[in-house]
Amino acid sequence: DTAVSQTPKYLVTQMGNDKSIKCEQNLGHDTMYWYKQDSKKFLKIMFSYNNKELIINETVPNRFSPKSPDKAHLNLHINSLELGDSAVYFCASSPQGTDTQYFGPGTRLTVL
Amino acid sequence: GENVEQHPSTLSVQEGDSAVIKCTYSDSASNYFPWYKQELGKRPQLIIDIRSNVGEKKDQRIAVTLNKTAKHFSLHITETQPEDSAVYFCAASIDSGYSTLTFGKGTMLLVSP
Repeated sequence: DTAVSQTPKYLVTQMGNDKSIKCEQNLGHDTMYWYKQDSKKFLKIMFSYNNKELIINETVPNRFSPKSPDKAHLNLHINSLELGDSAVYFCASSPQGTDTQYFGPGTRLTVL
Repeated sequence: GENVEQHPSTLSVQEGDSAVIKCTYSDSASNYFPWYKQELGKRPQLIIDIRSNVGEKKDQRIAVTLNKTAKHFSLHITETQPEDSAVYFCAASIDSGYSTLTFGKGTMLLVSP
């Protein structure tokens, strides 16, 4: 069973397009996250949601908009994609009361 | 906010040797310190973690030590094997479920047969 899943695994698109990445967890966790991992492998937190409510929003361009329809899902929509958005995006989740995080398989986004 | 420094950025060892990766953190309120292993093209996976009420934790060939006074913690891998080759990340947080992990920049460990 895949505990934290993401779709798609690969995403190749043109500059200026709008795209979405979906994340689902079946662990019953309350908190979900989006991270960006650049070519230097640095893991940078973008957003955190707890029970569908935004609790952390780092300095991320407002072209990035997270949406949590329920506590098992956290999607990431990106408008007007730029070359610098190319990266691997990881979703993660953690149980109530702890920051122990479990990561999804990642989505490799390539903007041409 | 929290700042986590990790050293070295790359580490090459021979199979069977020990490997040590060190991290320092800045926020004295941090009390949770996990370590993640990321193989090429894969997700980061939690391998061990420690909370500030203990100074050392072991799991087979892996151990983590914590010095809260000095604000540093280390990962020790003994009897390294080629399958230990990966990028290792340390992280720190206040472990409330409402804060988040601050990651170090990673250490690429290469174990040569």
